Amino acid sequence: DVVMTQSPLSLPVTLGQSASISCRSSQSLVFSDGDTYLNWFQQRPGQSPRRLIYKVSNRDSGVPDRFSGSGSGTDFTLKISRVEAEDLGVYYCMQAIHWPYTFGQGTKLEIK
Amino acid sequence: EVQLVESGGDLVLPGGSLRLSCAASGFTVRTYYMAWVRQAAGKGLECVSVISHGDAVTNHADSVKGRFAISRDESKNTLYLQMSSLRGEDTAVYYCARLNRGSIDYWGQGTVVTVSS
Repeated sequence: DVVMTQSPLSLPVTLGQSASISCRSSQSLVFSDGDTYLNWFQQRPGQSPRRLIYKVSNRDSGVPDRFSGSGSGTDFTLKISRVEAEDLGVYYCMQAIHWPYTFGQGTKLEIK
Repeated sequence: EVQLVESGGDLVLPGGSLRLSCAASGFTVRTYYMAWVRQAAGKGLECVSVISHGDAVTNHADSVKGRFAISRDESKNTLYLQMSSLRGEDTAVYYCARLNRGSIDYWGQGTVVTVSS
């Protein structure tokens, strides 16, 4: 199985400051088409997960440009600049090209 | 507008069975990979079952293999998860999800399964 390892697991932040989450996969997420299939999801308390980023760096419609994804191969980063209160929740990276599809453990973004 | 609406979650005894449903609208389930993802209280996300578009090839996580079965009814545009020999560790919120080009682009609101005596 592809193991997705996130760090940190808890991320206290001050509103208005930036935050960064790392995700490392145990296997390459580069598919045969040449694209890299790494996704980021946000889960607010009591809600279903919501996709923020697909294929490493592509933001979904309606996602603020404060969210950005980067990385390649097996190492990826989600950056949130100017954290707002609505950003609080748990963030997951995920791969869906190798079965079983796997998620990172989750990073809880909370107020410092 | 794409919508996924799960139903069927319940309290069930260990060893019991349950069938979850996911009614899809705004697209045709036959044309997408579809999956069930579960989340135990306070825990992370686990993709337990997936069904391919077209010929409906299925895969299940080792944790549920031989006990769960994913299927779809194209006439009802509905996805199912038949769960049997349920265990306490199957207690979770079960989400229906649409897969699109190596990602999950839509999630349902979830349905709660509790396995307890």
